[in-house]
Amino acid sequence: AQSVTQLGSHVSVSEGALVLLRCNYSSSVPPYLFWYVQYPNQGLQLLLKYTTGATLVKGINGFEAEFKKSETSFHLTKPSAHMSDAAEYFCACSNVGNEKLTFGTGTRLTIIP
Amino acid sequence: DTGVSQDPRHKITKRGQNVTFRCDPISEHNRLYWYRQTLGQGPEFLTYFQNEAQLEKSRLLSDRFSAERPKGSFSTLEIQRTEQGDSAMYLCASSLTAQETQYFGPGTRLLVL
Repeated sequence: AQSVTQLGSHVSVSEGALVLLRCNYSSSVPPYLFWYVQYPNQGLQLLLKYTTGATLVKGINGFEAEFKKSETSFHLTKPSAHMSDAAEYFCACSNVGNEKLTFGTGTRLTIIP
Repeated sequence: DTGVSQDPRHKITKRGQNVTFRCDPISEHNRLYWYRQTLGQGPEFLTYFQNEAQLEKSRLLSDRFSAERPKGSFSTLEIQRTEQGDSAMYLCASSLTAQETQYFGPGTRLLVL
């Protein structure tokens, strides 16, 4: 079985400040890890994913995440927040042989002008 | 626009009525997934298809739920005798193959009165 925990259901940062959204996973086999973003009344859009290889993954809109096996983490960061980053962010995992995505409960990111 | 489309986007129904949702995946995507998202939660897996074959169903999918994907193209999700607990966003996703990125549609928001 696999699970995803997102610490902090709400995160507020000032415009221009660092964004850090936390994600920890539990998986008995090597995971595939994802970050999705959801804007109000819309579906989910993939920000980035880790499958194998380089542990630092760069995604769209300036986001990146680092897979740390020792910490079972896949935190999402962005150096400088923009007002358009305000949305809900979901971390998810799957793995070889179990392709369905298991999602965390989400983190709502608010940007303070 | 060649993304995943879902119809309708919103559905309000009375308890006990049947509802049917449609999902059109990205052309040539073999895998099609259904997820359900309730307020304040991440999406939860319901079922998925490889072409027209339904490969897995979550225990969340009670006997009142049925999904089909005739001819391996669009899919329908039917809920019979709706209950207030069925109120949620129903998300559809498709991927080219098993381990490829899942692309999500905008969802169908169901409200059962």
